[in-house]
Amino acid sequence: GENVEQHPSTLSVQEGDSAVIKCTYSDSASNYFPWYKQELGKRPQLIIDIRSNVGEKKDQRIAVTLNKTAKHFSLHITETQPEDSAVYFCAASKGSASKIIFGSGTRLSIRP
Amino acid sequence: DAGVTQSPTHLIKTRGQQVTLRCSPKSGHDTVSWYQQALGQGPQFIFQYYEEEERQRGNFPDRFSGHQFPNYSSELNVNALLLGDSALYLCASSLPGEGTQYFGPGTRLLVL
Repeated sequence: GENVEQHPSTLSVQEGDSAVIKCTYSDSASNYFPWYKQELGKRPQLIIDIRSNVGEKKDQRIAVTLNKTAKHFSLHITETQPEDSAVYFCAASKGSASKIIFGSGTRLSIRP
Repeated sequence: DAGVTQSPTHLIKTRGQQVTLRCSPKSGHDTVSWYQQALGQGPQFIFQYYEEEERQRGNFPDRFSGHQFPNYSSELNVNALLLGDSALYLCASSLPGEGTQYFGPGTRLLVL
């Protein structure tokens, strides 16, 4: 069935360093890949998304890459800051109001 | 412009009872999806409503049912509550034909 695998489950980086979270998806029909950030007790917030016709997308310190052939996609956060500490979820969808399949999450901690 | 809203914020029920959760989508959004997020896990898709009909359904039993009203707001009903139904229930809305979903703050349900 449809599945999204995410790793690592926890990640601790020094403030100012980069963080990378990797995901794989199983359904080759997936064409929309959002990333959500969820702080403790709060709603998942969309931070960046990428569609299958694009290989890379960047928004300030955040970038996402997609390899359709390998069915891999990754989130890169550069120059990490304390407010980047949260749980990050990758997800995959067939787009156009389809359901979203989430990964299991990565708890990112930024060490001062 | 209000985002996605949900009520109530918290709820405590006992096994066997029934519960109704409510969601108002973001202005202009006509599609509402419901997700269950157990502690420490990613959201799991329950079902999606569009034009007052259930359009897609995840792997949840018939105890989970829903409704969408003409103003696009939605309800999630869970009958015969089990301890395992304790979770954060998230509602997400999206624009017509769009894959991007925006989440509400959730309803935290505790079943005793």
